[in-house]
Amino acid sequence: GENVEQHPSTLSVQEGDSAVIKCTYSDSASNYFPWYKQELGKRPQLIIDIRSNVGEKKDQRIAVTLNKTAKHFSLHITETQPEDSAVYFCAASEFSGGYNKLIFGAGTRLAVHP
Amino acid sequence: SAVISQKPSRDICQRGTSLTIQCQVDSQVTMMFWYRQQPGQSLTLIATANQGSEATYESGFVIDKFPISRPNLTFSTLTVSNMSPEDSSIYLCSVEGTGGEPQHFGDGTRLSIL
Repeated sequence: GENVEQHPSTLSVQEGDSAVIKCTYSDSASNYFPWYKQELGKRPQLIIDIRSNVGEKKDQRIAVTLNKTAKHFSLHITETQPEDSAVYFCAASEFSGGYNKLIFGAGTRLAVHP
Repeated sequence: SAVISQKPSRDICQRGTSLTIQCQVDSQVTMMFWYRQQPGQSLTLIATANQGSEATYESGFVIDKFPISRPNLTFSTLTVSNMSPEDSSIYLCSVEGTGGEPQHFGDGTRLSIL
């Protein structure tokens, strides 16, 4: 089955700097890669996703890149702000039993310091 | 995106008892997913519920411990049976997005077992 590894586990940056979180996956058949942001005590919220037919996707200060050959994908946050502080999870899809399910990475705790 | 309501939002239960968690969606969805998030950890899929058929459980999770109902296309329940302190977690339901992958999460049920 699919295995997703996420690095780093914690990341501390100064406000205005960029943050990069990286994930690798094992199943070459995976074709969908979402990123979630989870603030303390709240639900995971989908912030951006990418499908395997696209190499990069951007939404304002957030971008995701995908390298299918190397089986890794990354989240890039530019001009970080204190409200970006949260735990971020990557995930990869696994098609099994006639439906897609998500396998999550271990998470990255991002702290943005003013 | 779908609006997902979970009840209860939190509960404190005695060892050996059972609790049923409800998940209501504001639109019809084919697949509903139940996840567990242990304190400080990532999300682990418990099972997938398809209306009209038995739930499909992931490795390490069994129906006797986590029975699931899916009576219609907008509702599902997860029961945590014969609870022990190790079951203290957040339980989240999720529904598929337009691409069929589970994307959107409810607010979760924070469960503590004494």
